[in-house]
Amino acid sequence: NAGVTQTPKFQVLKTGQSMTLQCAQDMNHNSMYWYRQDPGMGLRLIYYSASEGTTDKGEVPNGYNVSRLNKREFSLRLESAAPSQTSVYFCASSDRGQDTIYFGEGSWLTVV
Amino acid sequence: GNSVTQMEGPVTLSEEAFLTINCTYTATGYPSLFWYVQYPGEGLQLLLKATKADDKGSNKGFEATYRKETTSFHLEKGSVQVSDSAVYFCALNGNSGNTPLVFGKGTRLSVIA
Repeated sequence: NAGVTQTPKFQVLKTGQSMTLQCAQDMNHNSMYWYRQDPGMGLRLIYYSASEGTTDKGEVPNGYNVSRLNKREFSLRLESAAPSQTSVYFCASSDRGQDTIYFGEGSWLTVV
Repeated sequence: GNSVTQMEGPVTLSEEAFLTINCTYTATGYPSLFWYVQYPGEGLQLLLKATKADDKGSNKGFEATYRKETTSFHLEKGSVQVSDSAVYFCALNGNSGNTPLVFGKGTRLSVIA
């Protein structure tokens, strides 16, 4: 029962470094999402992919890029990390946009 | 656009107290409404949902009723336990296409023995 798996769980980056957060789901879902969670801000959508081959910007896309590699995998890339990107990142998936969303366990990213 | 407003926390209650966390929404049409719960160090998981007006979602002793006339979906539990300590998120989903969930900012609940 893996569900949504994201890696790494913890990462510390220096300002300007790049990295990719990986996400995979084994529920054959069409839609996948990347959110960030910050204190007092709740969950904010970064990017989402309604289906394989499509991606759309969410509320806070600046500084990020995504790739929907196939139906299972949806990666989030920080090209040049900034301290403002210190956050907890959650990947999620759903069968369709209207359906229940299933979340991964989160990736704690610190940019120093 | 669609939005969700939920009461700010933190909320601190004694064990066996009654819980209400208010949630109101703004949306066009007939959205589906959700409550998600996040336990410490974990991702969010669905607690309950309701897909049409007057529906009541329930799970683990929690309940919420979809009230279209007041655009509300308040979360209630009659007797909270220490294990209910978590952050609770209200969310809605529009009824068109593949629009993602819109979340409230979350309400942290602490239950003390």
